[in-house]
Amino acid sequence: DGGITQSPKYLFRKEGQNVTLSCEQNLNHDAMYWYRQDPGQGLRLIYYSQIVNDFQKGDIAEGYSVSREKKESFPLTVTSAQKNPTAFYLCASSPQGYEKLFFGSGTQLSVL
Amino acid sequence: GENVEQHPSTLSVQEGDSAVIKCTYSDSASNYFPWYKQELGKGPQLIIDIRSNVGEKKDQRIAVTLNKTAKHFSLHITETQPEDSAVYFCAATPNTGNQFYFGTGTSLTVIP
Repeated sequence: DGGITQSPKYLFRKEGQNVTLSCEQNLNHDAMYWYRQDPGQGLRLIYYSQIVNDFQKGDIAEGYSVSREKKESFPLTVTSAQKNPTAFYLCASSPQGYEKLFFGSGTQLSVL
Repeated sequence: GENVEQHPSTLSVQEGDSAVIKCTYSDSASNYFPWYKQELGKGPQLIIDIRSNVGEKKDQRIAVTLNKTAKHFSLHITETQPEDSAVYFCAATPNTGNQFYFGTGTSLTVIP
């Protein structure tokens, strides 16, 4: 079954803690994205990667970090520098040269 | 950068009636306009899209229209059903593989 898998579905962060959200895709897509979704707001881009070992900051990259060591994987780390991390995080991918975005089912991150 | 505005933020219709959601964009270079449907606790799914060289596109009960001159595009759902209840997002992107700019979403409720 092809698609994008995000884990965990729910995640809790303590003060001063870094947490990592997983995103794996088996669609053979080149480009991958991380979006943050807050209630009543649109999706805001955190980071995106169009090729392995390369990524660019989106509109709200502060307090987040990513890596792209494999084509299939694009993990997002929410660092302690992100003071308001509670949100729904969405990972997406798209074939290079095409526009269609395919989304995972999301991770809800909350602060304890 | 691109700015996408979406209206209304909430919409309630009786089952069988039509629903219309409108978006405007600011960057005349935008050339691809997808619409996504997001059900509670899930990631958005592409339901229809339109490119700037087309004025209208239809897929069964769903249609999208684009007015490049006025820089607005709309989603039309006819013969609404309870399963159409969800949050709908519009988006615009100026170039293939680049950033997507999302509207703030419309929560559609179809009343049986």
